[in-house]
Amino acid sequence: AQKVTQAQTEISVVEKEDVTLDCVYETRDTTYYLFWYKQPPSGELVFLIRRNSFDEQNEISGRYSWNFQKSTSSFNFTITASQVVDSAVYFCALSEDGGSNYKLTFGKGTLLTVNP
Amino acid sequence: DAGVTQSPTHLIKTRGQQVTLRCSPKSGHDTVSWYQQALGQGPQFIFQYYEEEERQRGNFPDRFSGHQFPNYSSELNVNALLLGDSALYLCASWETGVSYGYTFGSGTRLTVV
Repeated sequence: AQKVTQAQTEISVVEKEDVTLDCVYETRDTTYYLFWYKQPPSGELVFLIRRNSFDEQNEISGRYSWNFQKSTSSFNFTITASQVVDSAVYFCALSEDGGSNYKLTFGKGTLLTVNP
Repeated sequence: DAGVTQSPTHLIKTRGQQVTLRCSPKSGHDTVSWYQQALGQGPQFIFQYYEEEERQRGNFPDRFSGHQFPNYSSELNVNALLLGDSALYLCASWETGVSYGYTFGSGTRLTVV
């Protein structure tokens, strides 16, 4: 069975600080996909990134970066120089099929509050 | 380009009643999935529809049913509502074989009293 653990329930930082959100996953499949979504107060989940299990390259997109380590089953998300607009709940998710049948197993989320 | 549209945005129902939630997928998207998000929890997969058929189902009772129409829009029906069905219901769509990630709607907040 798949499982995603986000041990940090809430994180509070001051603007411009760097912050890392942790994600640990469990799956028996060798092919799987990992995701991060952002949920602002409006409710919709905003897609941030998808990673497949064969691609362990770290990725950087502006102030966002992701560190995927299969050896520790982790897919951590770092926001550099955080801004107030980054305040939201962030979810890590896992899918064992990135094709047409994929369904997501989510962690419980981490509430990030960035204070001015 | 409109994203995923859900209606209504909020709903209050009495225990034992039935409810129908609606979803219009993003233009060009042919697959629709529904998720239930209880307060303080991550979304949980209910089911997925493609070509008007339920293709996958999560661990939800038969009280939860759905439908997909020829225009790809979808409905989620919940019968015999329980207090525990109170949650945010999210609809997500994607275009099979093309999309990189689901596009989610803003959800319907269902409160059962």
